[in-house]
Amino acid sequence: AQSVSQHNHHVILSEAASLELGCNYSYGGTVNLFWYVQYPGQHLQLLLKYFSGDPLVKGIKGFEAEFIKSKFSFNLRKPSVQWSDTAEYFCAVNTGFQKLVFGTGTRLLVSP
Amino acid sequence: DVKVTQSSRYLVKRTGEKVFLECVQDMDHENMFWYRQDPGLGLRLIYFSYDVKMKEKGDIPEGYSVSREKKERFSLILESASTNQTSMYLCASSRDRSLFNEQFFGPGTRLTVL
Repeated sequence: AQSVSQHNHHVILSEAASLELGCNYSYGGTVNLFWYVQYPGQHLQLLLKYFSGDPLVKGIKGFEAEFIKSKFSFNLRKPSVQWSDTAEYFCAVNTGFQKLVFGTGTRLLVSP
Repeated sequence: DVKVTQSSRYLVKRTGEKVFLECVQDMDHENMFWYRQDPGLGLRLIYFSYDVKMKEKGDIPEGYSVSREKKERFSLILESASTNQTSMYLCASSRDRSLFNEQFFGPGTRLTVL
């Protein structure tokens, strides 16, 4: 069965620190990958997505992610986090016809 | 902007009650989805629908059913609520079956079953 692993369940950083959240997927076919974010009290929204082409994908608010096919990974990065990045982050893989499989999420707390 | 609305933000029901969760989207999207979100488990797909009157089981359909009589509305039904169905329920929609399309989520309904 397809699965998505997010290894870090909770991450605490200080402002201006660099961020990398891990995401590994288990799926043998063509993949489309997403990172969604849920800010406190808000609905889930798209941060970025990979469909094809350049494996380095840039999203909103300075986030980027790199698709490494050989490692089945799609890690999320940001060079300098802000307090407003405090949120829960979900990696997801589209296994076909819009059926998304989500990871368990990573809660990020950025202290000012 | 795409808007996905859910009928209630918070709901408290008793064991054995029939529960209806309603979701409406305003962008003429073909696809609609119901997920539940639990701490440490992420989002899990309950049911989805590609078109009016069509439904497909997701990963955890047991104890749930759905109804899609109109394109913009997708209802989740708990025939006989149980305490293990206490959860956050998220509705989502997407334009069509293209792999590239993102899903747009509603604000969620936090259901507590006593």
